[in-house]
Amino acid sequence: SQELEQSPQSLIVQEGKNLTINCTSSKTLYGLYWYKQKYGEGLIFLMMLQKGGEEKSHEKITAKLDEKKQQSSLHITASQPSHAGIYLCGAPHGSGNTGKLIFGQGTTLQVKP
Amino acid sequence: DGGITQSPKYLFRKEGQNVTLSCEQNLNHDAMYWYRQDPGQGLRLIYYSQIVNDFQKGDIAEGYSVSREKKESFPLTVTSAQKNPTAFYLCASTSIRRGLSNEKLFFGSGTQLSVL
Repeated sequence: SQELEQSPQSLIVQEGKNLTINCTSSKTLYGLYWYKQKYGEGLIFLMMLQKGGEEKSHEKITAKLDEKKQQSSLHITASQPSHAGIYLCGAPHGSGNTGKLIFGQGTTLQVKP
Repeated sequence: DGGITQSPKYLFRKEGQNVTLSCEQNLNHDAMYWYRQDPGQGLRLIYYSQIVNDFQKGDIAEGYSVSREKKESFPLTVTSAQKNPTAFYLCASTSIRRGLSNEKLFFGSGTQLSVL
């Protein structure tokens, strides 16, 4: 079965610093979703990547999917306290369009003012 | 406003008791999902439904039951057979368009279930 591994598991950065979170799949990805979660709340959609080599940006967050479609990275530039939370990557369960996603274990980000 | 509503926000279960978590959506989505989240772990799929009156087991369905009598509603019952029910439960929905690329999941705000 497919598994997603995120690294690091937790991260503490000083405000203004850049950071990168990685998501590695045990199998080829048919899509990759990034979500953000505040503790005790639901998941907020950030970005979706589908094509090898694809890169998307929103405000100060950039996500990339590698050419081989087995790894994705999420990069935050000039981090702010509002970026703090849990970041999760998710991928479709197999190639069919069932809507089911499997998730990585999450990366907890703290941003020190 | 369109979205997914989960209730209650906090729920406590006594030993031997069944409890039901509510999930309602007004996004006109066909598919709905229940996930369980434990501290330091990702989300694990409990049950999902792609159409009314039909649902399938996910990876950790034992000790749980669901129903899908209406398109808008997908309640989850945590039965007494679930020996470790303490977790954060998330409901999600999406539209399923056959032959097209995957759509993103929309999530509710979650229910924290604890055992007394």
